[in-house]
Amino acid sequence: DGGITQSPKYLFRKEGQNVTLSCEQNLNHDAMYWYRQDPGQGLRLIYYSQIVNDFQKGDIAEGYSVSREKKESFPLTVTSAQKNPTAFYLCASGLSGGGNQETQYFGPGTRLLVL
Amino acid sequence: KNEVEQSPQNLTAQEGEFITINCSYSVGISALHWLQQHPGGGIVSLFMLSSGKKKHGRLIATINIQEKHSSLHITASHPRDSAVYICAVHSGTYKYIFGTGTRLKVLA
Repeated sequence: DGGITQSPKYLFRKEGQNVTLSCEQNLNHDAMYWYRQDPGQGLRLIYYSQIVNDFQKGDIAEGYSVSREKKESFPLTVTSAQKNPTAFYLCASGLSGGGNQETQYFGPGTRLLVL
Repeated sequence: KNEVEQSPQNLTAQEGEFITINCSYSVGISALHWLQQHPGGGIVSLFMLSSGKKKHGRLIATINIQEKHSSLHITASHPRDSAVYICAVHSGTYKYIFGTGTRLKVLA
């Protein structure tokens, strides 16, 4: 089955702790994205990557970091510098590397809660 | 003002009703997407439009480029259509710009 998987489904973070959210795709897509969803707001772009070993900041990158060492994987680390991390995080991938009519395919999401 | 506005924010309908969700945008776009977010959080792409109209089953999406407006229609609505429907536009870059979504509840 082709698709995008995210883990874990729920994640709890303690104060001062870094946590990493996993995103894996087997769709052979070049582009991958991380979004944050908060109640009453549209999805906001955190980071994106159009090719392996390259990534760019999105609109709300502060307090987050990513890596893209493999085409299939784009993990997101929520660092202790992110003061309001409680949100629903969605990973997506796209075929045309960010072309202007690209369809993005979304993972099931990870809900991050602060203890 | 958001670049992508959806209305209504919330919608409750009886099973069988015809439903319309609206999306207006203020930027130039190359494509508009309608997405469906299930109660568990997963998002699926329903349509990508750059002009005209598309139909898939009971769902119809239309776009008027001159008026910067799109509508998503659901005919013969069913409780399984209950979800959040999100409009997103591509404005010629890598980015989607998302609306805040319309929460639809269809009652049996």
